Amino acid sequence: AQSVTQLGSHVSVSEGALVLLRCNYSSSVPPYLFWYVQYPNQGLQLLLKYTSAATLVKGINGFEAEFKKSETSFHLTKPSAHMSDAAEYFCAVTDRNYQLIWGAGTKLIIKP
Amino acid sequence: GAVVSQHPSWVICKSGTSVKIECRSLDFQATTMFWYRQFPKQSLMLMATSNEGSKATYEQGVEKDKFLINHASLTLSTLTVTSAHPEDSSFYICSARDQAGGLYEQYFGPGTRLTVT
Repeated sequence: AQSVTQLGSHVSVSEGALVLLRCNYSSSVPPYLFWYVQYPNQGLQLLLKYTSAATLVKGINGFEAEFKKSETSFHLTKPSAHMSDAAEYFCAVTDRNYQLIWGAGTKLIIKP
Repeated sequence: GAVVSQHPSWVICKSGTSVKIECRSLDFQATTMFWYRQFPKQSLMLMATSNEGSKATYEQGVEKDKFLINHASLTLSTLTVTSAHPEDSSFYICSARDQAGGLYEQYFGPGTRLTVT
């Protein structure tokens, strides 16, 4: 069965530093991959998605992610963290029925 | 485009009462809608998948008689928590799949915070 692993339940970076949130999936077939952001007491906002086009995907708010099939990874990065990036981030992949399989989430903490 | 709304955004109810949560796709037709539950500091748990005009498909462990789902139109799905108890308190999120779009993409509502006292 498909699964998603997000390394690190909490990631803390200084404002202006590189953000790296890790996501690995298990699948022999390249799935569709997503990163969502959730601010406290709010729903989910799509940051970016991979749908078998370019392996480097650019999303909103300066985030991007690279699909690496050989590593079964889809890590999320942002060159320079901003205080407003503090939130919970979820990686998700589709299963064969196009339902979303979710990672456990990573809370991004930005230090001033 | 692709906006999904939920109503109410938060609700407090007494134990034993029922609560209905609405999920609407505002600018597209959704043949399929999904209901998720999210516990504090946890990921989303899929509760059920509803297709317009047919019975919902519930995930293992979700009580279908307690969480009634109705998807009567292409723009509206409802989740009714019957005889709510404090353990039903949670954040409920719906999502919708655009009939005209790809099968892989879901659009999420803002969520409903349910507190049962």
